[in-house]
Amino acid sequence: KAGVTQTPRYLIKTRGQQVTLSCSPISGHRSVSWYQQTPGQGLQFLFEYFSETQRNKGNFPGRFSGRQFSNSRSEMNVSTLELGDSALYLCASSRAGGEDTQYFGPGTRLTVL
Amino acid sequence: GQSLEQPSEVTAVEGAIVQINCTYQTSGFYGLSWYQQHDGGAPTFLSYNALDGLEETGRFSSFLSRSDSYGYLLLQELQMKDSASYFCAVRDWGGKLIFGQGTELSVKP
Repeated sequence: KAGVTQTPRYLIKTRGQQVTLSCSPISGHRSVSWYQQTPGQGLQFLFEYFSETQRNKGNFPGRFSGRQFSNSRSEMNVSTLELGDSALYLCASSRAGGEDTQYFGPGTRLTVL
Repeated sequence: GQSLEQPSEVTAVEGAIVQINCTYQTSGFYGLSWYQQHDGGAPTFLSYNALDGLEETGRFSSFLSRSDSYGYLLLQELQMKDSASYFCAVRDWGGKLIFGQGTELSVKP
C-alpha cells in the first residue's frame, strides 16, 4: 500500500505570494491533518479534515486554510506569504480521525524570500 | 496553557539503553504517543500509551503515569540508526495533537 504523498516537495516563494500544497493520504484513510514544523516552534498542528469537513483547527491566522476532497485528498493554502511561513509542512493521514497513529508524508519544504 | 516538556538532546553509546522523558500539561488527555523523525524525513509512529504502565515493542518500550502526567520512551540495544529526533505527543479534548519540542538522540560508536 502506497504511503502518504505530498507535492511539491520543495517550493520557493516571495513575500506576499500565495501557495497551495497537496496531500494524498494512504488509500482507505479518511482523515488528513496538517502540521507546520520549524526549528524554533517544533511541530505545530494546523488543521484536521475528515470526510471533507474541518474537525479541528490550530492557532494559526486565517491566511492558512485547507480543504479536503471527496477522494480524501487534501490541499492547504497559505495566502500573503510572510518570511516566518518558511517551514516544513507535513501532512498525516489516519483511518478515521482522532487516532493517535498518524502516518506522515515526506513534507513540503517551503522557503519564503 | 498546553505544553509537553522533553529534553532537547541526549547522547548515548551504541549498545546502551537510553530513556527519553516527557511531562505534559494539556487540557484533556487521551493518551501519549511517541514518534521518531530522522533528519529531513517524515515522523514515524513508534508507540501509544492510553493506560498507565509499560508497552513494549521490540527494542522500544514506552511508559505512562497519568497521575504524574509523565511518560518515557526507553530504547534498548542502541544502534547507530536510532540517531534521530523523538517526539512525544498528546491529543487534547479538542482533538488537536500537541507535540513536544523533540529530543535529538545521538548514538556514538
